[in-house]
Amino acid sequence: DIVMTQTPLSSPVTLGQPASISCKSSQSLVHSDGNTYLSWLHQRPGQPPRLLIYKISNRFSGVPDRFSGSGAGTDFTLKISKVEAEDVGVYYCMHAAQFSLTFGGGTKVEIK
Amino acid sequence: QVLLVQSGAEVKKPGASVKVSCKASGYAFNSFGITWVRQAPGQGLEWMGWISGYNGDTNSAQKFEDRLTMTRDTSTTTAYMELTSLTSDDTAVYYCVRDLDIVPTIHCDFWGQGTVVTVSS
Repeated sequence: DIVMTQTPLSSPVTLGQPASISCKSSQSLVHSDGNTYLSWLHQRPGQPPRLLIYKISNRFSGVPDRFSGSGAGTDFTLKISKVEAEDVGVYYCMHAAQFSLTFGGGTKVEIK
Repeated sequence: QVLLVQSGAEVKKPGASVKVSCKASGYAFNSFGITWVRQAPGQGLEWMGWISGYNGDTNSAQKFEDRLTMTRDTSTTTAYMELTSLTSDDTAVYYCVRDLDIVPTIHCDFWGQGTVVTVSS
């Protein structure tokens, strides 16, 4: 089974400063169709997760452009260019295989 | 707009079963699947299984295979998740999530609000 490892576990950031989260998979996530189904989710306290990024780098509808995703193969990164107060919460990477999902353990972003 | 509205909180005793519903609206139900994800208190996300909105095919995580039943009713555009033989380890928030199926679209783009299931004697 694929294992998704996120670092750091926690990321205290200053408002207006950048933040970066890493997600590494135990094996390549490149699908036989050539796509890489790696997504990023954001969960605020007491709320369901919401989709931010899909297929490595595509922002979902309504997601601010301060969020960006990058990477390939087994190494992926989510970056927030300038953290705002509403960005606090837990971020998860997620791999979608054929009708099954694997999640990273989560990274908590909080304001210093 | 796409909405997934789940049934209300449940409290169950160990050994009982729970059935959670997920009413979908705002899209072609038959063209998408529904994935079920759960989150234990203070923990991360755990994939449980997927059901096709098109033909009802399912795929479950191995750890739930013998206890999990997923169904859907296309006439009411509602998906259901039933988990049997509950233990305290099943205490969690359960989410239904729109997922892809016959339409090559985006995985897990819309989430239900979650249903809290508490298992306690």
